[in-house]
Amino acid sequence: DSGVTQTPKHLITATGQRVTLRCSPRSGDLSVYWYQQSLDQGLQFLIQYYNGEERAKGNILERFSAQQFPDLHSELNLSSLELGDSALYFCASSRPVAGGSYNEQFFGPGTRLTVL
Amino acid sequence: KNEVEQSPQNLTAQEGEFITINCSYSVGISALHWLQQHPGGGIVSLFMLSSGKKKHGRLIATINIQEKHSSLHITASHPRDSAVYICAVLNRDDKIIFGKGTRLHILP
Repeated sequence: DSGVTQTPKHLITATGQRVTLRCSPRSGDLSVYWYQQSLDQGLQFLIQYYNGEERAKGNILERFSAQQFPDLHSELNLSSLELGDSALYFCASSRPVAGGSYNEQFFGPGTRLTVL
Repeated sequence: KNEVEQSPQNLTAQEGEFITINCSYSVGISALHWLQQHPGGGIVSLFMLSSGKKKHGRLIATINIQEKHSSLHITASHPRDSAVYICAVLNRDDKIIFGKGTRLHILP
């Protein structure tokens, strides 16, 4: 158990709908990362938050948005869903280290999104 | 050409064999991460490297910054090591780029 929790585990929805995925980082971790893993694209970095602020952005679509709340949990919002958005969505967390901007990440179990 | 290339894509070996998985990258990096993804989908962080070598149990990871290459070694491999091993690099813009993974199958 990594200490990172994600809800829900599974989500089935229809095209055009909007969903929210939730992530709670490990206690003490300030950074949260979101990733998408689809069969054809592999793992892709979506976005990183650090202590409530957006830190880095990857291949995140405009239909997707995220935020990190004062209690450090994060939500990933996916809207106008398409069939191609079906994937595993992982979140990971890490804590800052002195003198560095990157530390080992701990992954949540993922949310499997199916868009029908 | 992908910015992070792993080889081999697939590897089947007998229990007890010494395993090497390679990762080459073409961008400047701050760090390199080796991950293990189990058949059930869960992802575990194995190592985070910015130079040299790290060892944890039967796993060893090395990185050569000049050659832009990293290797993950597994000694005395066991069927429970069967998983997908993924190399990821953090580039200078703080973006994380993943390799496509190496699927390892250890036969008893």
